[in-house]
Amino acid sequence: QKEVEQDPGPLSVPEGAIVSLNCTYSNSAFQYFMWYRQYSRKGPELLMYTYSSGNKEDGRFTAQVDKSSKYISLFIRDSQPSDSATYLCAMSNQGGKLIFGQGTELSVKP
Amino acid sequence: DAGVTQSPTHLIKTRGQQVTLRCSPISGHKSVSWYQQVLGQGPQFIFQYYEKEERGRGNFPDRFSARQFPNYSSELNVNALLLGDSALYLCASSWTWEETQYFGPGTRLLVL
Repeated sequence: QKEVEQDPGPLSVPEGAIVSLNCTYSNSAFQYFMWYRQYSRKGPELLMYTYSSGNKEDGRFTAQVDKSSKYISLFIRDSQPSDSATYLCAMSNQGGKLIFGQGTELSVKP
Repeated sequence: DAGVTQSPTHLIKTRGQQVTLRCSPISGHKSVSWYQQVLGQGPQFIFQYYEKEERGRGNFPDRFSARQFPNYSSELNVNALLLGDSALYLCASSWTWEETQYFGPGTRLLVL
C-alpha cells in the first residue's frame, strides 16, 4: 500500500466548474500538507501549504485537511482553461522529505 | 528574483554511462533536495542536503550520490545508468531543511 493515494484521473470539466481533488494517506505522523501544480514538461509549482488540520483559502483555491480521516482536498472554484495541469498532493511529518501522490491530470474545457 | 535553476535541461545517455546533474537554489536558500519523477508518477525523494550535510536519503541504490557546495549549489551523480533511470530529475530548494520546498524545471534524462 502506498503512503499517499491520489486518483490519477484524467479529470475533464467545463470552464467555470468547481473541481475537487483528493488524496488519502496512511501515515498519521504527517503534519504538513501541500498541493503543487505541474504543467506539462515543467517543475511542480507550490499552490497551497497547510499545517495540521483545517481549511486554507487563496483566491479560487481552497485546501482542506482532515487528519482524523487521513484525507486532504483541493477545491478550485470557477475553473479556467489555464488551470489545466497535473495536481500533486504532497505531505511530510516534520519538513524535509516530501511524499507525493501520483498526481491528478485536470483538463478544463472552454 | 531567479528561481531554482537546473542544468542541463535535457540529456541522453546510454546504459552503463555516468551522469552529473546540477542545481542552483534560490538565493538565500541553504537546503537542496533531489527527486526523481518517472512519467505518470509523482516525484520520489532521493536526497536532501542542508548546510552541505546530508539530511535524508530515499530508497535509491548506491549508484545515486549527491553533494552540496559552499555556495549551496548541488550536484546529483548517477553511475552505471540503467534504462529505468530515465526520468525527470527535480531539484527543490528551501530556507532550511524543514521549510517549504520550491522546485526547479527539472532535467529530463533519457537512457538508451
